[in-house]
Amino acid sequence: EVQLVESGGGLVQPGGSLRLSCAASGFTFSSYSMNWVRQAPGKGLEWVSYISSSGSAIYYADSVKGRFTISRDNPKNSLYLQINSLRAEDTAVYYCARWVRAADGTNYYYYMDVWGKGTTVTVSS
Amino acid sequence: EIVLTQSPGTLSSSPGERATLSCRASQSVSSSYLAWYQQKPGQGPRLLIYGASSRATGIPDRFSGSGSGTDFTLTISRLEPEDCAVYYCQQYGRSRWTFGQGTKVEIK
Repeated sequence: EVQLVESGGGLVQPGGSLRLSCAASGFTFSSYSMNWVRQAPGKGLEWVSYISSSGSAIYYADSVKGRFTISRDNPKNSLYLQINSLRAEDTAVYYCARWVRAADGTNYYYYMDVWGKGTTVTVSS
Repeated sequence: EIVLTQSPGTLSSSPGERATLSCRASQSVSSSYLAWYQQKPGQGPRLLIYGASSRATGIPDRFSGSGSGTDFTLTISRLEPEDCAVYYCQQYGRSRWTFGQGTKVEIK
């Protein structure tokens, strides 16, 4: 079964740090790009960061650039998000999601096809 | 950054009725990069539609997607009680991913 399981969330004070992990199973992790997406309480989805399959391409949302670092360990089938200088507005459920580039004849399609259940980060004093 | 605006905010319909959800982009979006997701309370999002109109694996055929350019639509042809959820459109472009704010579907 294809599965993503996030961990590492918790309660942290403003200015603190956390390292989130995402364990992948049931597929060849090293062949897929990955994303982190978050959802503040009662709000919609917000893309946070992307990393290519090899780790050579990395992108961040402007709201987290300079504070968050995405990385991956392909032999360990794991994705990470180091989050520093946490703010109250970083309070959210953080999801990891697999990014797919699929071909259908001459057309290419791009989407997030597998999501984890999320890990909750709460920033509060 | 491309902004996606979904309407209505909330849609309340009876079982068996047709539901039409709209997603409008601030700039033209390639259909290849337009997807729809369903999210139920306490769960991660679930892929419904990719490429604006292709159903993901295991998605019932009562779900369909259409549109191009700046206007996209998700249609649920015959609502069932389990379709109660929030639906998001998403686009990718220029190394950025954006989501619409979501449409909540309620079943009367």
